[in-house]
Amino acid sequence: GQQLNQSPQSMFIQEGEDVSMNCTSSSIFNTWLWYKQDPGEGPVLLIALYKAGELTSNGRLTAQFGITRKDSFLNISASIPSDVGIYFCAALGAGSYQLTFGKGTKLSVIP
Amino acid sequence: DAGVIQSPRHEVTEMGQEVTLRCKPISGHNSLFWYRQTMMRGLELLIYFNNNVPIDDSGMPEDRFSAKMPNASFSTLKIQPSEPRDSAVYFCASSPAGYEQYFGPGTRLTVT
Repeated sequence: GQQLNQSPQSMFIQEGEDVSMNCTSSSIFNTWLWYKQDPGEGPVLLIALYKAGELTSNGRLTAQFGITRKDSFLNISASIPSDVGIYFCAALGAGSYQLTFGKGTKLSVIP
Repeated sequence: DAGVIQSPRHEVTEMGQEVTLRCKPISGHNSLFWYRQTMMRGLELLIYFNNNVPIDDSGMPEDRFSAKMPNASFSTLKIQPSEPRDSAVYFCASSPAGYEQYFGPGTRLTVT
């Protein structure tokens, strides 16, 4: 079945550093979504991407929909302690309602 | 605006008991999803409703699981009888057009 390979699995960074994580797949997708999940809470939608090559920002977050439609990345600039959490990529194929999820990137920020 | 509302937030029950989880989707959203999240398997789609009609229930693990959506503002997921392996976090999500999905805070179910 379809799979999203998300990397890195975890990362420890100093406060103020920039962060980059990505998702790749062997399948083509039409929509890419990035979520953040805090402990004990549900995933919160950060950014949605609908077009190959699209680059979208949400505050300090920037995400891109890869030109091949098989990958996406998320960057966080100038990290702060509240950025701690698990970040998931998710993607939808054409005409599909079923999200395929990556396994998540656990981000730890050292003050 | 209120997000997706789920209740209860935590449920502890004994094996064999019936469990009912509740969800109120975001007003105006016509798609509703139930997911289960575990460390081993991540997020798994259990069932998908569109305009209150179940479209895909292939993810429901067994006949012990059932879900209903009697109207656009309410859905339930029932487990009867519950088993320890059902312990997980159950999420409800809603979507306005089938693309972005907005998740609720989840119900943490523990079956002893």
